[in-house]
Amino acid sequence: DGGITQSPKYLFRKEGQNVTLSCEQNLNHDAMYWYRQDPGQGLRLIYYSQIVNDFQKGDIAEGYSVSREKKESFPLTVTSAQKNPTAFYLCASSIDPTDTQYFGPGTRLTVL
Amino acid sequence: AQKITQTQPGMFVQEKEAVTLDCTYDTSDPSYGLFWYKQPSSGEMIFLIYQGSYDQQNATEGRYSLNFQKARKSANLVISASQLGDSAMYFCAMRERLKTSYDKVIFGPGTSLSVIP
Repeated sequence: DGGITQSPKYLFRKEGQNVTLSCEQNLNHDAMYWYRQDPGQGLRLIYYSQIVNDFQKGDIAEGYSVSREKKESFPLTVTSAQKNPTAFYLCASSIDPTDTQYFGPGTRLTVL
Repeated sequence: AQKITQTQPGMFVQEKEAVTLDCTYDTSDPSYGLFWYKQPSSGEMIFLIYQGSYDQQNATEGRYSLNFQKARKSANLVISASQLGDSAMYFCAMRERLKTSYDKVIFGPGTSLSVIP
């Protein structure tokens, strides 16, 4: 089955700790994206990658970092510099940057 | 300025009835795309339907159709024969071209749809 997987589904973190969210796709898509969703709101773009070994900041990149060493994988690290990291994080991918984005199931991060 | 407006925070519809979810957008780019996504309580965003700015006909996908009125900059989603499983958040989104050639997708705030048996 082709698709996008995110792990873990739920993640708890203590203040001051970095944490990495996983996103993997086997759709052979070039482009991948990370979004943040806060309760009752739409999605905001954190980072995106149009191709392997390349990524760009989105609207709210501060306190986050990414890597794109493999086409299938686009992990997101939430650093201690992110002041309010508790949110729902969604990963997406598309064939290319102009095509429809398809989403993974999301990771719910809670900072204790 | 809001690029995507969804004026209905919450909607109710009787099972088997049709419902229209409103979406208006703002762009100066002549080439853009409009999307609707469904987000059930599980959280996953499910792609429903796409309309390109140059498409002559309104997009349809099964029970979903997009009422595209370009001059009014509206892209309303119509769901026919509502089912209980249609209860979810619905997001309108627009893709527009940035100077860097990356097609950025902007999401609206969403509309919560509840289907009543």
